[in-house]
Amino acid sequence: ETGVTQSPTHLIKTRGQQVTLRCSSQSGHNTVSWYQQALGQGPQFIFQYYREEENGRGNFPPRFSGLQFPNYSSELNVNALELDDSALYLCASSLEAGVDYEQYFGPGTRLTVT
Amino acid sequence: GESVGLHLPTLSVQEGDNSIINCAYSNSASDYFIWYKQESGKGPQFIIDIRSNMDKRQGQRVTVLLNKTVKHLSLQIAATQPGDSAVYFCAENNAGNMLTFGGGTRLMVKP
Repeated sequence: ETGVTQSPTHLIKTRGQQVTLRCSSQSGHNTVSWYQQALGQGPQFIFQYYREEENGRGNFPPRFSGLQFPNYSSELNVNALELDDSALYLCASSLEAGVDYEQYFGPGTRLTVT
Repeated sequence: GESVGLHLPTLSVQEGDNSIINCAYSNSASDYFIWYKQESGKGPQFIIDIRSNMDKRQGQRVTVLLNKTVKHLSLQIAATQPGDSAVYFCAENNAGNMLTFGGGTRLMVKP
């Protein structure tokens, strides 16, 4: 186990709704990255938070937003859900934001949009 | 945009044989690569990494080879075991530790 936890495990939402996914980092880690993994594909980088500030963003629309709290846990919010948002959402924490720091992934939240 | 991809979507090997999983990348400026293993219901797990100043790196039963000339990576698993059955991804680690993953190869180990 990596020490990174995510909640909920599974979630079903209707198109147009909003969703909040949560991630608890490994102890002492100040950086959290979020990824979207569609079925049968590799994870796609959404964004990264470092010390409560967004530190980089992938090619995702503004309706994907995030937050990192003083204890370094994090949330991913998605507004106006679309069917294509159905995916496994992974968060990964690392000790720092640089390339020399291994990312530890949680088990993911499976989101289904109907 | 730049991406990392894989040649083979599924690889089936006999238990005890060696496995080779391939990956091509397109960004010639990439200098750090990581192989991940993802088992069903779990997030990706770090296996081994390699930087562009090396062409080979070995771990326990795993070896990664990097050919910068043709922008190709491979992961070799020696004496493949049933516990090695999973999906394997290569990933490019960009500045700021933002990973770009390829599409994945499913490794199936036959007893």
